[in-house]
Amino acid sequence: ETGVTQTPRHLVMGMTNKKSLKCEQHLGHNAMYWYKQSAKKPLELMFVYNFKEQTENNSVPSRFSPECPNSSHLFLHLHTLQPEDSALYLCASSQEQSSGANVLTFGAGSRLTVL
Amino acid sequence: GQNIDQPTEMTATEGAIVQINCTYQTSGFNGLFWYQQHAGEAPTFLSYNVLDGLEEKGRFSSFLSRSKGYSYLLLKELQMKDSASYLCAAKDSNYQLIWGAGTKLIIKP
Repeated sequence: ETGVTQTPRHLVMGMTNKKSLKCEQHLGHNAMYWYKQSAKKPLELMFVYNFKEQTENNSVPSRFSPECPNSSHLFLHLHTLQPEDSALYLCASSQEQSSGANVLTFGAGSRLTVL
Repeated sequence: GQNIDQPTEMTATEGAIVQINCTYQTSGFNGLFWYQQHAGEAPTFLSYNVLDGLEEKGRFSSFLSRSKGYSYLLLKELQMKDSASYLCAAKDSNYQLIWGAGTKLIIKP
């Protein structure tokens, strides 16, 4: 248990479905992140929220829609996904977004399969 | 462009020592991180280096040479539980993390 909890751990959805991934952190951190992890590829940063404000959107397709209602919760809303979106989606948090020694605490991820 | 290179996979024997190398090319530099990720689990922080030299933490040590754009993670007295992927990441001048694809370490008895 890292203090960052992601649900669901596994999700299978069709291309026309709408689903959401949830992330919750109990660490008092002010920054939260969504990453995509595909096999044998580097982690891809998708979105960053710092003090509930979105500060990064790394050219992510609009079929992924983030939401950060407060500094402890982060959602990733999914709709009309493609099979190539199948991956492990990792949520992370940190004390704040910038600063050199900023350590990320990750959740265990949500394994998404798009049929 | 910005890039991190690390070996895809390494194999070592229980009780031995293994060194996982990482080379980086970034626009500016604000530190280098190593994370460990067991299969199906969250990546967890191992070490952070911002100055040249060796940082030791128990069985794990991390080294940095900024002039060479090079780091390594040294694991001593390997245990079966050290089988995992090891992720190298460098922070650039904008404090963005640039990640490597990870090194899968297999420990054999």
